[in-house]
Amino acid sequence: GAVVSQHPSWVICKSGTSVKIECRSLDFQATTMFWYRQFPKQSLMLMATSNEGSKATYEQGVEKDKFLINHASLTLSTLTVTSAHPEDSSFYICSVPGPNTGELFFGEGSRLTVL
Amino acid sequence: DAKTTQPPSMDCAEGRAANLPCNHSTISGNEYVYWYRQIHSQGPQYIIHGLKNNETNEMASLIITEDRKSSTLILPHATLRDTAVYYCIVSYYGGSQGNLIFGKGTKLSVKP
Repeated sequence: GAVVSQHPSWVICKSGTSVKIECRSLDFQATTMFWYRQFPKQSLMLMATSNEGSKATYEQGVEKDKFLINHASLTLSTLTVTSAHPEDSSFYICSVPGPNTGELFFGEGSRLTVL
Repeated sequence: DAKTTQPPSMDCAEGRAANLPCNHSTISGNEYVYWYRQIHSQGPQYIIHGLKNNETNEMASLIITEDRKSSTLILPHATLRDTAVYYCIVSYYGGSQGNLIFGKGTKLSVKP
């Protein structure tokens, strides 16, 4: 079964609105979660590292005021795309480090389309 | 930039072994080789990882050359559901695992 759950799976919104994407770790607690973005026919790019109890760490070129990350608990991280524009349309994927094996568990992804 | 080089695409007949190569000539001594795959419109799925020794699990085998500059992922009996993009990634174990740098991967097409 799924280890990491994302919601919603897909969302369509109007330009200028904000969209929240949730990432839940179902099987274990996660002090760290990661958010990736994938544009069509491109590879995944790490956007930011979500840290429980502290501020997120953003990769170079990712606007922290536009992509708000909140790590509310040891099982939940949220990504809010504020004032979304068509160029923000993408596949957003979260991931959680496995407890022992060194692997990374990925969510199913959330496809955002901004009209 | 990704530290790995993979062929952009490969075909494999259903039921046959799929051998996916990866070059990582600049890998450092304490970096692991990870393999993930991404089926269309889904999140990536972990397959296997290794440091020096060959590894095998229920999904695949990983063969790492002695000099660690290249590796091969082997799917012993490919099925149609193995059609996906396969990513070879080198990374340090634990810690900031999110810093997995995904290259373009190999698009494997398993054909009936």
